[in-house]
Amino acid sequence: NAGVMQNPRHLVRRRGQEARLRCSPMKGHSHVYWYRQLPEEGLKFMVYLQKENIIDESGMPKERFSAEFPKEGPSILRIQQVVRGDSAAYFCASSPFTGGAGYEQYFGPGTRLTVT
Amino acid sequence: AQRVTQPEKLLSVFKGAPVELKCNYSYSGSPELFWYVQYSRQRLQLLLRHISRESIKGFTADLNKGETSFHLKKPFAQEEDSAMYYCASTNTDKLIFGTGTRLQVFP
Repeated sequence: NAGVMQNPRHLVRRRGQEARLRCSPMKGHSHVYWYRQLPEEGLKFMVYLQKENIIDESGMPKERFSAEFPKEGPSILRIQQVVRGDSAAYFCASSPFTGGAGYEQYFGPGTRLTVT
Repeated sequence: AQRVTQPEKLLSVFKGAPVELKCNYSYSGSPELFWYVQYSRQRLQLLLRHISRESIKGFTADLNKGETSFHLKKPFAQEEDSAMYYCASTNTDKLIFGTGTRLQVFP
């Protein structure tokens, strides 16, 4: 099992472009979480998805950000019209069951987005 | 709102010294508490969780509901313990992380 995969590892975008971050969960995991880490801050929850469903998007900015986890393929975090404040490390995690209750979330290596 | 506080950004000790990384949480219910660790150039990984009451790599953490704390302790630090440590809590599905403490263990 290769673990949670994220690509690209590093992404540079100019202001106004779109950023697409991909996350492939561990084999057998159907729950995906996205977190964002701004400089000097801890990881902050963004969105929780199951296959084809958004379960909790309470941490997503209201505009420009969207996420999906299709029936086939990786989960995608999309940021439209990026701004400098979007520069951060974006982490994906997956779990086999609903989180909480002690179920471990397995993290990917992260994608570092830099907006110039 | 649920919040996790790690007051120390950096903790430096010598090898063999005791280590305590502080974590306080604010939540009125009964959250699950975790410690995650990130070694240099590696991904974030779970170190221990309070419900399992286990010791991993010599680390332990006791949940103190009266003080709303979940401090991470190790009696004798090793150089390989140098890493970023994040305390986290959850009462649903999402993890709430502290800002992290960097532990440096000098030889």
